[in-house]
Amino acid sequence: EAQVTQNPRYLITVTGKKLTVTCSQNMNHEYMSWYRQDPGLGLRQIYYSMNVEVTDKGDVPEGYKVSRKEKRNFPLILESPSPNQTSLYFCASSTPLAGGPGEQFFGPGTRLTVL
Amino acid sequence: GIQVEQSPPDLILQEGANSTLRCNFSDSVNNLQWFHQNPWGQLINLFYIPSGTKQNGRLSATTVATERYSLLYISSSQTTDSGVYFCAVDVNQAGTALIFGKGTTLSVSS
Repeated sequence: EAQVTQNPRYLITVTGKKLTVTCSQNMNHEYMSWYRQDPGLGLRQIYYSMNVEVTDKGDVPEGYKVSRKEKRNFPLILESPSPNQTSLYFCASSTPLAGGPGEQFFGPGTRLTVL
Repeated sequence: GIQVEQSPPDLILQEGANSTLRCNFSDSVNNLQWFHQNPWGQLINLFYIPSGTKQNGRLSATTVATERYSLLYISSSQTTDSGVYFCAVDVNQAGTALIFGKGTTLSVSS
């Protein structure tokens, strides 16, 4: 089954404790991206990757890191989480099309709470 | 940057009713997608529709790119249609995110 998976789905942590949210896709997509969703602010892009070893900042990259060592995986790293990073996080992947990211497929989401 | 506006913001329906959701965008776009976010938070692809009309069961969508809007039609609504419906656009620029509207929250009661 074609899918984007994220782990963990739910996480409660404390300020300053490093964490990683994994994202994996099995559709051989070149493009992968992380979004966060907050009430009243909608979905905003954190980082994206056009291909292996190619990553770039989105609209709200502060406090996050990513890596793209393999085509299928795109982990999101919070080196020192803070309460303002409490949010619902989505990973997405797609095949770029006509200069844009193309039809994006989203993972199930990770609900993160930082105390 | 491009603005994406959805209307209405909220919609309450009785089961069996039909509805039309609208998405307006302020500039030319590469593509447009409709998503349904279910009550558990999952974003589900409904349509990838840069132009024209597509249908999938009780749902259909029409995008008129020259007039910068898209419509999502839900016929014979069911309680499982409840949730938030988002449209999202991308512009012709490598690496851009999807730009989401703020969504229409649909509640269908039995």
